[in-house]
Amino acid sequence: AQKITQTQPGMFVQEKEAVTLDCTYDTSDPSYGLFWYKQPSSGEMIFLIYQGSYDQQNATEGRYSLNFQKARKSANLVISASQLGDSAMYFCAMREAPRGAQKLVFGQGTRLTINP
Amino acid sequence: DVKVTQSSRYLVKRTGEKVFLECVQDMDHENMFWYRQDPGLGLRLIYFSYDVKMKEKGDIPEGYSVSREKKERFSLILESASTNQTSMYLCASSLGQRYQETQYFGPGTRLLVL
Repeated sequence: AQKITQTQPGMFVQEKEAVTLDCTYDTSDPSYGLFWYKQPSSGEMIFLIYQGSYDQQNATEGRYSLNFQKARKSANLVISASQLGDSAMYFCAMREAPRGAQKLVFGQGTRLTINP
Repeated sequence: DVKVTQSSRYLVKRTGEKVFLECVQDMDHENMFWYRQDPGLGLRLIYFSYDVKMKEKGDIPEGYSVSREKKERFSLILESASTNQTSMYLCASSLGQRYQETQYFGPGTRLLVL
């Protein structure tokens, strides 16, 4: 069963607009962590932001914020004031604790294109 | 900065060849991982290791083996390469056992099996 679902294969956004990338997850474990990564065309995965299941506030890192809705099991990434350099693949991932031995489960990814 | 390096960015091999993909991390991380990435499927875990000489199967270990003789190095081996192993291979490492720790990735190896 798919544990992480990203329903948007591709998104096209005008520069300077805000972007929301969707991610829903499925777990019965009360302790888990959610991660977002960016993959530019160069190929390497870049860590963006982390949200723990017990964190009281939504995570923020610069222009990135995570809209965490625990009851809905969603962890959407919000990018404010998008830039051309934000064009990339974006992956949502989850780690279930304590089992899983640090394994991450990834979604299918969303390809974001920022238009000038 | 954490640095994870992979031995090749691009690799072309023939069906039946034995293929070695090497990964090295320089931050004394306990955990190392091998993923393959295919369009529409995201990243799928092949094998991981949480200590020297220790390994565990991921979600798609068939056709692969691994070796971790030193803490900093984790090798992925394709015993007899097949065309369905054409893919992007990503190595990652993480520090320890806290579940909020992120994984750090290498640049990836694009493998083409003819």
